[in-house]
Amino acid sequence: EPEVTQTPSHQVTQMGQEVILRCVPISNHLYFYWYRQILGQKVEFLVSFYNNEISEKSEIFDDQFSVERPDGSNFTLKIRSTKLEDSAMYFCASTPFSTDTQYFGPGTRLTVL
Amino acid sequence: AQSVTQPDIHITVSEGASLELRCNYSYGATPYLFWYVQSPGQGLQLLLKYFSGDTLVQGIKGFEAEFKRSQSSFNLRKPSVHWSDAAEYFCAVGSTGFQKLVFGTGTRLLVSP
Repeated sequence: EPEVTQTPSHQVTQMGQEVILRCVPISNHLYFYWYRQILGQKVEFLVSFYNNEISEKSEIFDDQFSVERPDGSNFTLKIRSTKLEDSAMYFCASTPFSTDTQYFGPGTRLTVL
Repeated sequence: AQSVTQPDIHITVSEGASLELRCNYSYGATPYLFWYVQSPGQGLQLLLKYFSGDTLVQGIKGFEAEFKRSQSSFNLRKPSVHWSDAAEYFCAVGSTGFQKLVFGTGTRLLVSP
């Protein structure tokens, strides 16, 4: 069964550094999402992406964040200058249609020191 | 704006006993509703979903959920819990156009021998 994959599984970085989190969505899916989960808290929506542009973003997704689909398979989340409060598990999700089930990857745990 | 409430933070159930996890949502239109499960250190796995039609939906691993519009609820049930069901369970609602999922705070299920 096709799966969403994410790399790395764990990323440790220093405050102020840039990080790129990578996702490979399921191959025939067209809609892509990033969510995050701060330890002990609920999963929060960050951004949705379709047809090479952002379709919706949350208040969390400020100018420090960006997303890109650099090729036909990868979907990336970049944080330009990480802060301590960016420490969280970041989940990628994809779906074939906007009104269909979102399939989640295993997550990348980001630790900002 | 849509929201999801899971009133129980922790629930402990004896192995073999029945389980019901509560979920209440707030949404103006007919909602898309989901239950996801997250095992420690793992991603989010879809248990079941409700889009329309029969209000009792069956999912994987013997789980079911019932959509009750009058109570704005989508409670998850299982007749006999197994030790491997110990995990965190998240209820989620899909927004208009289904661009994002809004999650509840989760219920951690502990299974006692």
